[in-house]
Amino acid sequence: QVQLQESGPGLVKPSETLSLTCTVSGFPISNGYWWAWIRQPPGKGLEWIRSIYHSGSTYYNPSLKSRFTMSVDTSMNQFSLKLSSVTAADTAVYYCARETYGKVDYWGQGILVTVSS
Amino acid sequence: QSALTQPPSASGSPGQSVTISCTGTSSDVGAYNYVSWYQQHTGKAPKLMIYEVSQRPSGVPDRFSGSKSGNTASLTVSGLQAEDEADYYCSSYAGTNNLIFGGGTKLTVL
Repeated sequence: QVQLQESGPGLVKPSETLSLTCTVSGFPISNGYWWAWIRQPPGKGLEWIRSIYHSGSTYYNPSLKSRFTMSVDTSMNQFSLKLSSVTAADTAVYYCARETYGKVDYWGQGILVTVSS
Repeated sequence: QSALTQPPSASGSPGQSVTISCTGTSSDVGAYNYVSWYQQHTGKAPKLMIYEVSQRPSGVPDRFSGSKSGNTASLTVSGLQAEDEADYYCSSYAGTNNLIFGGGTKLTVL
């Protein structure tokens, strides 16, 4: 059974960099599929951020590309997201997930990240 | 990259059917048969209910069905049950822009 688990800080100060990691179990990242980050501001809808392949290739939401970076570590079966210069608008539940052609079949439980001083 | 358009709310009585629409463009919904639907209960992660327009993952009841016509996809829930009350999101593959979600529809079982 594929499982994903997000980890990272729950509270980040404005202008700082947010770093999140997703640990995958039950499926080697190197076996394929795209691995994604999706966020959901409180009370709002889902927003796809970016996806990465085990080779390191990425697709990104053109509305968000400038502040996000993703990386993958196949040896640890993890992938990560960094968001620079955070603001209150980045407060959201961040989900990591497995996707292919937009079909997101496995999701992590989500991690609430609050941006506040 | 604009969000797909969904009605903010939908409702039906137990046993009835309800259909939720998801309207995109010729660059996303209309261009690919890669429309998915997700169910999200409060405080939970979304769950895949339909993929590739009309395919159901293992374990999803056949009360849930999907279709597409032109730039609009639809999710139909037949035989409504209390546990179907949730938020529903559509998504579409959009080529190099990859993935677009709808704004979500809150389904209420009356």
